[in-house]
Amino acid sequence: DGGITQSPKYLFRKEGQNVTLSCEQNLNHDAMYWYRQDPGQGLRLIYYSQIVNDFQKGDIAEGYSVSREKKESFPLTVTSAQKNPTAFYLCASYGTNGYTFGSGTRLTVV
Amino acid sequence: AQSVSQHNHHVILSEAASLELGCNYSYGGTVNLFWYVQYPGQHLQLLLKYFSGDPLVKGIKGFEAEFIKSKFSFNLRKPSVQWSDTAEYFCAVIPISWGKFQFGAGTQVVVTP
Repeated sequence: DGGITQSPKYLFRKEGQNVTLSCEQNLNHDAMYWYRQDPGQGLRLIYYSQIVNDFQKGDIAEGYSVSREKKESFPLTVTSAQKNPTAFYLCASYGTNGYTFGSGTRLTVV
Repeated sequence: AQSVSQHNHHVILSEAASLELGCNYSYGGTVNLFWYVQYPGQHLQLLLKYFSGDPLVKGIKGFEAEFIKSKFSFNLRKPSVQWSDTAEYFCAVIPISWGKFQFGAGTQVVVTP
């Protein structure tokens, strides 16, 4: 079955460390997205990519980085520059058959 | 810049009451529109979507939404809510000419028995 896989589901990191969240899709979708969900703030767009080797900043890109070396993969790195990294991170992809969301990664920085 | 506004952050209503959640967007071109629901402890689920055609869209679980182009709105409605409709509801918009898919801030709906 086609879908998006985000891993891990839960992630704990020490303050000051970079951490990379994985997002893989086998839907052959061109566009992929990273969102951050915080209570009372909905989903805010971090980065998105419409094609391999290209990506654009979303509304809250500071402290994050991405790469899109393969169509199937869009990893998100939460850097030490992100002031408040503890959140729920959601990956999505978009193709001709619509949007698909991953199950999310809950990152907790201690 | 493109934005998506949901008018209410919290809505509390009784079972059998009617529900209407507002959504407005600021992009002037052609858009695709979506409503998603997130039940407590669960993932986002698509309720309905509008791409083109009839501006009144029927979704799952008795929800519908009406696209009014002149008002840049895509309001979600349900004639009679149930306790199980307690959830957070998100409006989302993507201009068809480019790929920035954005969500509104969400509306927390609580249905009391």
